[in-house]
Amino acid sequence: RKEVEQDPGPFNVPEGATVAFNCTYSNSASQSFFWYRQDCRKEPKLLMSVYSSGNEDGRFTAQLNRASQYISLLIRDSKLSDSATYLCVVNRVTNFNKFYFGSGTKLNVKP
Amino acid sequence: NAGVTQTPKFRVLKTGQSMTLLCAQDMNHEYMYWYRQDPGMGLRLIHYSVGEGTTAKGEVPDGYNVSRLKKQNFLLGLESAAPSQTSVYFCASSYWGATDTQYFGPGTRLTVL
Repeated sequence: RKEVEQDPGPFNVPEGATVAFNCTYSNSASQSFFWYRQDCRKEPKLLMSVYSSGNEDGRFTAQLNRASQYISLLIRDSKLSDSATYLCVVNRVTNFNKFYFGSGTKLNVKP
Repeated sequence: NAGVTQTPKFRVLKTGQSMTLLCAQDMNHEYMYWYRQDPGMGLRLIHYSVGEGTTAKGEVPDGYNVSRLKKQNFLLGLESAAPSQTSVYFCASSYWGATDTQYFGPGTRLTVL
């Protein structure tokens, strides 16, 4: 079983729509959680960290449910510039600070 | 600050050739990582380092070697390139804490013919 699983999509939405992605992780000992954004042929970049209390950054809201071991990302009022692949990432410190990446969910925002 | 830089950005090799990819970071991070990314497979860890002079194997280390002689640099070597090593290679670095995120370099696109 993969450490982190995501729906690959693509999610095709019109501008202005609200879209939500979920991700599940398999190891309950996972400690930190992140959403990264990756544009085509570019490096992943941190979008936001995810906390149990939930956190919001402008049009983006992230939630963590430790009991069910899933993480969500909500994007409101989608923009064309939001088109990208969104990677769910979890972190667990064993003998080093190891990050586990989902395969990504592709979002296409259309005019 | 430049963050994490990688050289070269692109490279084409013939089977059996060797090359070294260089990663440099100026954030004084302890940890450095090499990943490869293939379509539909996400990022897979090749090797990592928890500090200067130390390296360890990740999930897919076969065919690669690494060295970290200086804290700011992490080198990835391919001794005898194979077509299966055609991929995009990303270097990343982070602090040591569990809540610390990773910062990525721009990637190296390698094609092995």
